Amino acid sequence: GQNIDQPTEMTATEGAIVQINCTYQTSGFNGLFWYQQHAGEAPTFLSYNVLDGLEEKGRFSSFLSRSKGYSYLLLKELQMKDSASYLCAVRSPSGGSYIPTFGRGTSLIVHP
Amino acid sequence: EAGVVQSPRYKIIEKKQPVAFWCNPISGHNTLYWYLQNLGQGPELLIRYENEEAVDDSQLPKDRFSAERLKGVDSTLKIQPAELGDSAVYLCASSFGLGGELFFGEGSRLTVL
Repeated sequence: GQNIDQPTEMTATEGAIVQINCTYQTSGFNGLFWYQQHAGEAPTFLSYNVLDGLEEKGRFSSFLSRSKGYSYLLLKELQMKDSASYLCAVRSPSGGSYIPTFGRGTSLIVHP
Repeated sequence: EAGVVQSPRYKIIEKKQPVAFWCNPISGHNTLYWYLQNLGQGPELLIRYENEEAVDDSQLPKDRFSAERLKGVDSTLKIQPAELGDSAVYLCASSFGLGGELFFGEGSRLTVL
């Protein structure tokens, strides 16, 4: 089975740095996604990691350790608009293909 | 380029009534997904299509849910009859091939009274 775990809620201050962790136990692994979802809106793609290490994209960075089944999303210079849910999704084999399975999401609240 | 389009955005029905959701994926995306998302939860896969073929439908409650993707483009998800527990957001997503990132529509929010 697939098990993806991330904190339910986090709060941070505008301008600060926040790290959202994701741990996973899946039968097979073919990449990890991070998506951002504002309330009432569609999830939007943030990052994709398939190899170990850090991927940086502007204010957002994502890290992966396959041996530890661990990833984190790092958000720098937080802005109020970063208040959203952040979804970790692991792609793993299913029926000859690869399916992204999502965690429950981490609700990030950024306050002034 | 147009994104994934879903309709209706909102639907309120009484239990035991039927309901249908429609999805138009991004042009050229051969893989289409239907996910269910409950409040405060992540999306859960219901069914995935590769072109016209339905694969990975093990989580689809086949006694009341059905889906189709005619001509490998648009897709429809139907619930008949709806139950109170079906209240949720139904998300459609598409990707180019099996390895591509998923692009989501805005979802169809269903309320069953």
